Amino acid sequence: GEDVEQSLFLSVREGDSSVINCTYTDSSSTYLYWYKQEPGAGLQLLTYIFSNMDMKQDQRLTVLLNKKDKHLSLRIADTQTGDSAIYFCAESTSGGSYIPTFGRGTSLIVHP
Amino acid sequence: EAQVTQNPRYLITVTGKKLTVTCSQNMNHEYMSWYRQDPGLGLRQIYYSMNVEVTDKGDVPEGYKVSRKEKRNFPLILESPSPNQTSLYFCASSLFGGTDYGYTFGSGTRLTVV
Repeated sequence: GEDVEQSLFLSVREGDSSVINCTYTDSSSTYLYWYKQEPGAGLQLLTYIFSNMDMKQDQRLTVLLNKKDKHLSLRIADTQTGDSAIYFCAESTSGGSYIPTFGRGTSLIVHP
Repeated sequence: EAQVTQNPRYLITVTGKKLTVTCSQNMNHEYMSWYRQDPGLGLRQIYYSMNVEVTDKGDVPEGYKVSRKEKRNFPLILESPSPNQTSLYFCASSLFGGTDYGYTFGSGTRLTVV
C-alpha cells in the first residue's frame, strides 16, 4: 500500500532556509501536497504539485519533485518564527480515488 | 466564509457513553473525511465519503460509525467510546477529492475518554 515518510523534527535559525523532505512509495501518485498545521489548529493546504512537474515556486516556498527517486521537498526561504509548525506531506492517486495519504508530519522549530 | 465546522472543540466523556462529533461544510464539497491525529502517528483516516449515502472505511475504522445523509454534514459517531479513542479528530472536505483543490480541514475536536 501507499506509504509516505518524513523526518519528525527540523530545527533552523531564523533567516536561514528550511528544507523539509518526504519520500513516497506509490509511483502512480498524481498529486503531492504540503500542508501546514499551526498549534491548536487544523491543517492548511500550503501548496501542491502535479506529478508531471519538477518544481513549483510560490513566494518563499519552493517545491521540488524527483519522480525517479519518489522524493518531494519543501524549501522555505528566509524562515521566520511564524513558520514554526508541523508540515505534512501527502499524496493522492486516481487509483486511490484521490483520497490523500499523509506522512507523520515534520515539526519545524525556528529559533532566533 | 468557506469553512469546515466541527463541534464540539473539546469533549471529555466516560467509557461507554455514546457520543457524536458533528461536521458541516458550506462549500458544496463532494468528498468528506474524518481523521484522528495521535503523537508520533500523524494523521490516520477513519472514514471517508465521496458523496451522499456513499461512505467507506479508512485505515482505522474500528469503533466508529459515520453517515452522509446530506452533502454538507458528515457526523462521526462513537457508539461505545473507549480510552484508546482519546485523540484529536479532524474533519475535512474537498471538491473532488485530493486533486489540485486539496482538502479543507476543520479546527479539530479534542476528545478525552476516561
